[in-house]
Amino acid sequence: GENVEQHPSTLSVQEGDSAVIKCTYSDSASNYFPWYKQELGKRPQLIIDIRSNVGEKKDQRIAVTLNKTAKHFSLHITETQPEDSAVYFCAASNSGGYQKVTFGTGTKLQVIP
Amino acid sequence: NAGVTQTPKFQVLKTGQSMTLQCAQDMNHEYMSWYRQDPGMGLRLIHYSVGAGITDQGEVPNGYNVSRSTTEDFPLRLLSAAPSQTSVYFCASSYSSRTPTEAFFGQGTRLTVV
Repeated sequence: GENVEQHPSTLSVQEGDSAVIKCTYSDSASNYFPWYKQELGKRPQLIIDIRSNVGEKKDQRIAVTLNKTAKHFSLHITETQPEDSAVYFCAASNSGGYQKVTFGTGTKLQVIP
Repeated sequence: NAGVTQTPKFQVLKTGQSMTLQCAQDMNHEYMSWYRQDPGMGLRLIHYSVGAGITDQGEVPNGYNVSRSTTEDFPLRLLSAAPSQTSVYFCASSYSSRTPTEAFFGQGTRLTVV
């Protein structure tokens, strides 16, 4: 089955700096890569996603890049703000059959004011 | 439009007790799933369903049962609770079983087994 590794497990940045979280996946059939943000005590919520026919996607301060050859994808947050502090999960799934989503182990991001 | 509703929010069980975690969605989503979240381990898939009457096992199915008699409801049953089942449980739903799309999560159930 699919295996998703996520690094780093914790990340501290100064407000205004950029943050980068990296994930690798094992199943070359995976073609959908969402990122979820989970604030303390809350449910995970989608912040951005990318499909395998696209190399990069951007939404305001958030961007995701995908390298299918190397089987890795990354989340980039620019101009970080204290409200970006949360746990971020990457995930991978494929549509070759019934959808099963495999999550990474999460990155706790702390933005220091 | 309530989205995905999970009950209860908190539960304490004694070892050996059984219980059902409820999950309902009102978005007419095909795909529903249950995850458990443990520190440092992310979200692990317990069971999933691609439509009414169809369920399958995920990564960590032992000790849990599910059924999907309607599109809306997907309850998770703990047969005989064990301390290793202490966790936060999330139900999630997605529009399509075949094309991966955004997962909408319930608010979670924090379960403690003593």
